[in-house]
Amino acid sequence: EDKVVQSPLSLVVHEGDTVTLNCSYEVTNFRSLLWYKQEKKAPTFLFMLTSSGIEKKSGRLSSILDKKELFSILNITATQTGDSAIYLCAVSAGQNFVFGPGTRLSVLP
Amino acid sequence: NAGVTQTPKFRILKIGQSMTLQCTQDMNHNYMYWYRQDPGMGLKLIYYSVGAGITDKGEVPNGYNVSRSTTEDFPLRLELAAPSQTSVYFCASSYLSFADTQYFGPGTRLTVL
Repeated sequence: EDKVVQSPLSLVVHEGDTVTLNCSYEVTNFRSLLWYKQEKKAPTFLFMLTSSGIEKKSGRLSSILDKKELFSILNITATQTGDSAIYLCAVSAGQNFVFGPGTRLSVLP
Repeated sequence: NAGVTQTPKFRILKIGQSMTLQCTQDMNHNYMYWYRQDPGMGLKLIYYSVGAGITDKGEVPNGYNVSRSTTEDFPLRLELAAPSQTSVYFCASSYLSFADTQYFGPGTRLTVL
């Protein structure tokens, strides 16, 4: 059975801190790994990763994939209160798309 | 471009009632998906479609049906609603395949009492 695990499930930090969110997976026929940010409603796309070792970067957010060890990390530097959200990791595997449970990040002022 | 739109935003059903959740996308995407998200959980795939006239089951299809008569529309039908179907339902679409970025609608919050 395809599985995606995220850790931690919940995290509370102060503004300016750096955080690392983890996503590990066990799937057959891996195609891509995606990170989404979910605030109050629909998930919004952050990154799509298909190759190991290539960092994707967008402002203070960055992500990298390790296909040998089957995990990805999402880094957020200099966190702001607007980063408070649930961060979802999802893996496209064959004709399936599996989401992890998400990491709930709370950034305190 | 409206992207992915869903109606209704909220709905309360009684046990045994039926309803259809509407989903429309205007991006000419081939793939469309229905997910449900229970509190504190990730999204689970209910059904997906790879193009007009083609649908297939996801991880949790029981109690639901779908159809895809056009590229734009992908309605989700709930027959004989049960309390276990209380959830937030998201429709999504992607251009070419499961591996592509999925764009999500705003969601429908359904409560079955």
